[in-house]
Amino acid sequence: EDQVTQSPEALRLQEGESSSLNCSYTVSGLRGLFWYRQDPGKGPEFLFTLYSAGEEKEKERLKATLTKKESFLHITAPKPEDSATYLCAVQATVAFGNEKLTFGTGTRLTIIP
Amino acid sequence: DTAVSQTPKYLVTQMGNDKSIKCEQNLGHDTMYWYKQDSKKFLKIMFSYNNKELIINETVPNRFSPKSPDKAHLNLHINSLELGDSAVYFCASSPDFGYQYFGPGTRLTVT
Repeated sequence: EDQVTQSPEALRLQEGESSSLNCSYTVSGLRGLFWYRQDPGKGPEFLFTLYSAGEEKEKERLKATLTKKESFLHITAPKPEDSATYLCAVQATVAFGNEKLTFGTGTRLTIIP
Repeated sequence: DTAVSQTPKYLVTQMGNDKSIKCEQNLGHDTMYWYKQDSKKFLKIMFSYNNKELIINETVPNRFSPKSPDKAHLNLHINSLELGDSAVYFCASSPDFGYQYFGPGTRLTVT
């Protein structure tokens, strides 16, 4: 069964203090690894998809990287508006139409001004 | 324009009642999903439909019945509501595979 573990559960940073969030996964065959951002009371918002080990994607202050066992979401010089829960999910290489996402429990990031 | 919409946003009801949540997507996607997010924020797949056909049913109680009248709509009907059904329910849609667009969620509270 596919599994996703995220750490830490919660992270408090000062504005401008860079850090990384971890996502460890086990999946029978990885079709894609996804990062989402979720704000309180809202649905998850897509950030990145990574498909193969060594791949990197960047968006503003965020950079996602992927190895064969884990993914990191690096946040550089964060601002208070980056405060949110960051969710990692994997999609296995299964039959068409069965593209469920298996999510981790998320990292709740708080950026203190 | 809202890509994936859900109604209602909030639903408060008593144990034993039957309720429905509606979802609509205007993205032209073939696949739609229902996820449940519990109090610990864990998001878990319940069902998926591809072009009106049920594809995934993740050991959800029979009290939950999804219905897809067309590929733009996926509704969730829940019979005999229980306290443990209290959660936030998210609808999502996607193209053939890849990232999924999520709706704003429906917070269900069973008293």
